[in-house]
This record gives sequence, structure tokens and C-alpha cells, in this order.
Amino acid sequence: ETGVTQTPRHLVMGMTNKKSLKCEQHLGHNAMYWYKQSAKKPLELMFVYNFKEQTENNSVPSRFSPECPNSSHLFLHLHTLQPEDSALYLCASSQTPGTASTDTQYFGPGTRLTVL
Amino acid sequence: AQKITQTQPGMFVQEKEAVTLDCTYDTSDQSYGLFWYKQPSSGEMIFLIYQGSYDEQNATEGRYSLNFQKARKSANLVISASQLGDSAMYFCAMREGPDRGSTLGRLYFGRGTQLTVWP
Repeated sequence: ETGVTQTPRHLVMGMTNKKSLKCEQHLGHNAMYWYKQSAKKPLELMFVYNFKEQTENNSVPSRFSPECPNSSHLFLHLHTLQPEDSALYLCASSQTPGTASTDTQYFGPGTRLTVL
Repeated sequence: AQKITQTQPGMFVQEKEAVTLDCTYDTSDQSYGLFWYKQPSSGEMIFLIYQGSYDEQNATEGRYSLNFQKARKSANLVISASQLGDSAMYFCAMREGPDRGSTLGRLYFGRGTQLTVWP
């Protein structure tokens, strides 16, 4: 049973809509991540939060806006998306990036987003 | 240049047989970590196994083992006694950067190998 949950699991939205993806981790981790997985492309890192502070923005368009109110919750606010933004959005968490541990990232089930 | 290369888009194996999924990596770091994940059709990425660059022994986790050949920069995943439930996409990933310190250890993923286990 996964320690990282994501809602909704599926989302269909128009280009003018505003929606939010939610991620919650129950593993006591301090770092959380958003990834985008498009068809036939490697997983792309979008954002990283470490102790609620954003430590990485991987040149993501401003129509994607992350929010991390605490170490257990991560949101991805979506507005004015394009059809090419349709993808599987995966959330992950880890103890702390760059430590002496394996710092394994544990993923949620993903949100399948379709932009019409 | 790609950090992680998985040259097998698809692999087929009969149930109860062993299968090897290939992964090569590219880094100039001395300290790094290698990971394998399984992604069923449901979408969730499931962590399988980890190998550290300084680990002298090959990592093993149940039916999964990692054939780590540092000089060749390869980290192949071996699944023994395949089961029907092993059918999924398998991703190799690498984390660069020191094991200590504040540097963010970004994960680089390969394009994956689709494994199909048949009865």
C-alpha cells in the first residue's frame, strides 16, 4: 500500500479551466517532487520542495504553479493549460535529497490529465 | 547526452524464467545511486531496488537483483522466476551528487523497458 496518495486520479479540463492536483505523503519525508510523464518521453522533473521550500523549478511554464503548505502536502495549480500538457503527473517524496541515505523517492499513483 | 540508456523498448519472458533488463548510465561523479522502478498500467511508480556507487556487493531484493558493473557503467536488473504480475514498464534511474551535503540529488530516468510475461 502506497504511502503517497494523489487526487484526483483522472482529470479532464478545458484550456480555460483552473484546477488543482493534490498530493499527500504519510511517510514522514521532508522532500516532495512533481514529475510529468508524457507518452514516449522520459520522466521530467518539474518542481522540488525541501522542508516546504522550493529548491528547484525545472524551467516549467508559469501556467503550472506549485504550492507546499507543509512537508506532507503538495499541490499543483493548473490554469490556461495547453493540449500538450496532457500527461500523467506523478508526485513523489523522499527523506531529504542529497543525504547519506539512499534517499529513495516514493511515488504516488499519479493523476492522468487530459486537456481539451 | 543521455544520463540513462535503456536499449530494450520491449522484452518478453515466459513465466518462471529469469529475465535481464539492461541499463547503462553516464556520469563523471564518483558518488551516485542507481534505482529501478516498476510502473504497471495503473501508473504508479514502484521502487524495486537501489545500488550505491560505492557498494561492492550487488544489491538484491527478493526476486530482484542488480548486476552492477561499474567499469562498464551498467546496472542491469535481473528478475528471477518471472510471474505474470511482473508485466509492466521498468525504469532505470540515477541520482548524481554527493551522499552528504546540501546538493539536490536529482533523479534521471531512462525511457523504460516494457516487460511482458507470458504463461
